[in-house]
Order: sequence, then structure tokens, then C-alpha cells
Amino acid sequence: AQSVTQLDSQVPVFEEAPVELRCNYSSSVSVYLFWYVQYPNQGLQLLLKYLSGSTLVKGINGFEAEFNKSQTSFHLRKPSVHISDTAEYFCAVARQAGTALIFGKGTTLSVSS
Amino acid sequence: DTAVSQTPKYLVTQMGNDKSIKCEQNLGHDTMYWYKQDSKKFLKIMFSYNNKELIINETVPNRFSPKSPDKAHLNLHINSLELGDSAVYFCASSQGVFGPDTQYFGPGTRLTVL
Repeated sequence: AQSVTQLDSQVPVFEEAPVELRCNYSSSVSVYLFWYVQYPNQGLQLLLKYLSGSTLVKGINGFEAEFNKSQTSFHLRKPSVHISDTAEYFCAVARQAGTALIFGKGTTLSVSS
Repeated sequence: DTAVSQTPKYLVTQMGNDKSIKCEQNLGHDTMYWYKQDSKKFLKIMFSYNNKELIINETVPNRFSPKSPDKAHLNLHINSLELGDSAVYFCASSQGVFGPDTQYFGPGTRLTVL
């Protein structure tokens, strides 16, 4: 069975600072990896996804993530955050032959000035 | 244009009542989903439908019954509501059946059972 662990429940940072949101997964089969963002009182929006190929994936809003198979990690990074990046971030996996996303418990990113 | 829409956005009701949440997608997708987000923001799949056929039912109580009249709609009917059903329910859709297809989420329906 697959599972996802987001290592930090809350990450407070100052505006223009770099940020890394950590995600580890466990699976005995190949998976696809995703990061979604949820702004307050809204639905989820896809930031980026890893399917295969290059391990560095670039997404929207300046975010990127690196797939590390040996460490079973898929950490999300942004070199300089904005106030508007304040939101809940979810890491998720999907099996190659499956459909539903399995989510981590989320990381609250709080950006202050 | 809203890709995935849900109605209502907020739903407050008493224990024991029956209620429905509607979901519609205009993306032409074949697969639709219902997820439940609890008070700790944990998201979990409830159901998945592909071309109106149920393909995932994640040990959800029988009080929850999804209905798909066509592939653009997936409604969720809940009987005999309980306090523990209070949550935000998200509908989503994707093009295919397999993992890598991006899922597009609706804005959510916040259900409060009193």
C-alpha cells in the first residue's frame, strides 16, 4: 500500500525567503507524484507532477520539486516566496494502475512580511 | 467558466436528515471522484466513477450513495446524517482512469451536521 508523509505540519517564513516543503512516500510499485495547493476556502489546484524522466519538475507560480527515488522523497521548493503563497500544500501519490490520489496530511505555509 | 462546480457551497443540517451534494464538470472528462476533507484537513478518497460506473468505493458507510446520471455529473446523497459526517466534500474529475492524469477539483461543499 502507498502512503505519503509530509514532515512539517506548519512552515512559517518571511517574504522573499526560500522555502522547502518536505514529502516522503512509500510504495512497492512505481507511482506518480503530485503537489497540490489549497488557498483558504477554495478547492485544490495542481502545482506540479512527476510522471517519469527528469527528476526536477517545474510547476506554476515558481515552484519546483525534485524526485529522489533512493530517498523516496519529492520535496517542494521555491527560491523566494510571496505573501500570496500562504496556503495549504498537499503532496499526493497515485499508482500507475490506480486512479485515486493518496494525500499527505498537508503543510501550512505561512508567509509574513 | 467553472470547470468543476459543486452545489451547495455550504450545507447546515440536523442529525438524521438526508441531504444531497451535486457536482458537474464541463471538461469532458471520463472519471469523477468524491473526496472528504476532515477537520484536520486530511483528504481521503470516497468514490470514483468512470463513464458512470463505480470503480472505487473506499469502505464508505452505506449511508453514502453516489449517483452518476451521466459522465458530466456525480452527485452524493447522504442518508441519516451523523455528527461525524461534518467535513468539506470535494468533487474532482480527470480525463482517464489511470494515475498520471491531473485531477481538477471543485470548490468544495462544507457540510455541518448539528
